[in-house]
Amino acid sequence: GAGVSQSPSNKVTEKGKDVELRCDPISGHTALYWYRQSLGQGLEFLIYFQGNSAPDKSGLPSDRFSAERTGGSVSTLTIQRTQQEDSAVYLCASRGSGRNTGELFFGEGSRLTVL
Amino acid sequence: GIQVEQSPPDLILQEGANSTLRCNFSDSVNNLQWFHQNPWGQLINLFYIPSGTKQNGRLSATTVATERYSLLYISSSQTTDSGVYFCAVEHEGGSEKLVFGKGTKLTVNP
Repeated sequence: GAGVSQSPSNKVTEKGKDVELRCDPISGHTALYWYRQSLGQGLEFLIYFQGNSAPDKSGLPSDRFSAERTGGSVSTLTIQRTQQEDSAVYLCASRGSGRNTGELFFGEGSRLTVL
Repeated sequence: GIQVEQSPPDLILQEGANSTLRCNFSDSVNNLQWFHQNPWGQLINLFYIPSGTKQNGRLSATTVATERYSLLYISSSQTTDSGVYFCAVEHEGGSEKLVFGKGTKLTVNP
């Protein structure tokens, strides 16, 4: 696609429910990133994929968080047993492969509210 | 890991004023980007500038990699420039991720 596409744009869920957030990167981009932004805060790195593998998942806050990428394209971030502190905007980004391959481009984010 | 510090944290300007935003980082970098997050939350790419100087309209940026800082210049500011400006770097020899500063919140008043 022309840009990074994320869905849903907004999600309201009850504490304890599982949620899935989807990211469709720019066509041809092999690297895909997930970040989280809490209200009024900066961007917190969660995980990145190179192809279907995740060389760095050091930012996942707990084992309730997981992510996968299939076919080197779409990625899904899953949060199990959601907690109120999981409320944030989840941002996905993509770029070409390898170092020095230029800019990271972000989607518009998925706003998650846990009641 | 690498540290990224942005200053000032907040900046209030009158329309038409010029400003300089600074980004300091603690180690060598492969990549440096400036983003503008508009009031609707969208992150807009301003510059990909691991070194050197670039200009785009009223905005320009300079990165001095050897001294570990980057500057973003905004001239003749407009109300639409309001939002948060983020600097993000990729640590040379580290993971291929961008580490973000905490941002500079810019408010341009008419």
